[in-house]
Amino acid sequence: GENVEQHPSTLSVQEGDSAVIKCTYSDSASNYFPWYKQELGKGPQLIIDIRSNVGEKKDQRIAVTLNKTAKHFSLHITETQPEDSAVYFCAALISGGYQKVTFGTGTKLQVIP
Amino acid sequence: GAVVSQHPSRVICKSGTSVKIECRSLDFQATTMFWYRQFPKQSLMLMATSNEGSKATYEQGVEKDKFLINHASLTLSTLTVTSAHPEDSSFYICSARDRPYIQETQYFGPGTRLLVL
Repeated sequence: GENVEQHPSTLSVQEGDSAVIKCTYSDSASNYFPWYKQELGKGPQLIIDIRSNVGEKKDQRIAVTLNKTAKHFSLHITETQPEDSAVYFCAALISGGYQKVTFGTGTKLQVIP
Repeated sequence: GAVVSQHPSRVICKSGTSVKIECRSLDFQATTMFWYRQFPKQSLMLMATSNEGSKATYEQGVEKDKFLINHASLTLSTLTVTSAHPEDSSFYICSARDRPYIQETQYFGPGTRLLVL
C-alpha cells in the first residue's frame, strides 16, 4: 500500500519568513495530493490540493509543488503569520474507485511573532 | 460550502457505556463517509469507510462489534463505541466526500473528544 513520509515533524519560523514542508510517497499510481491544516482540538481543514497533471499550484500565500518522477511534493507558505501556526498533514491517494487516503505524520508549525 | 458537522463535540462517559457520535454533511450529499481516530500528537488513523445503504468497510485491527457504523442516509453517518473502556478515549473525526461526481476531496468534521472514565 501507499506510504507517505513527511518532514520535518516540527518547524519554527519567524513571522514573515517562509515555511516549507516536504512529503514523499511510495505508490506511483497516486495522483491526488491534498494538504490539511489542523488547529488544536479541531478537525483537519483542506487548504490546497494538487493533481498529478499539474506541477505547481498557488493560492495567495500558499503553494504546492509536485515532482512525480521523484515522488515528492511540498507545501510552501510565504509571509507566515501567527495564525498559520498549526499541524499540517500531507496526503496521497489514487483518484477513483476506493479512495483511501494515506496521511503523512504531520508537521507542527510554529510562527514566532 | 462542503461543511461537515459532528455531534457531540465532547463526551465523558463511564466505562461500560455506549456512546454514539453523529457525522452530518450539511450542504452536500455524501455517499461515502470516513471515520478516523487520532491520538495526541499523531496522525489520523482510518478506522472504517462508510457507504450509504451498505455495510461499512473496516480497516485491519478495528473491531467491527466494538465500533458500530451506520450510514442510513446521504447526509448522516453514526459511529457507536460500544461498551467503552478507558483505552477508547481518543479524538474521533469523520470526513465526507461529495456525491455528484467522482470527487477525491474529503471534508472533515470538527471532531469529537471522547473520554472514558
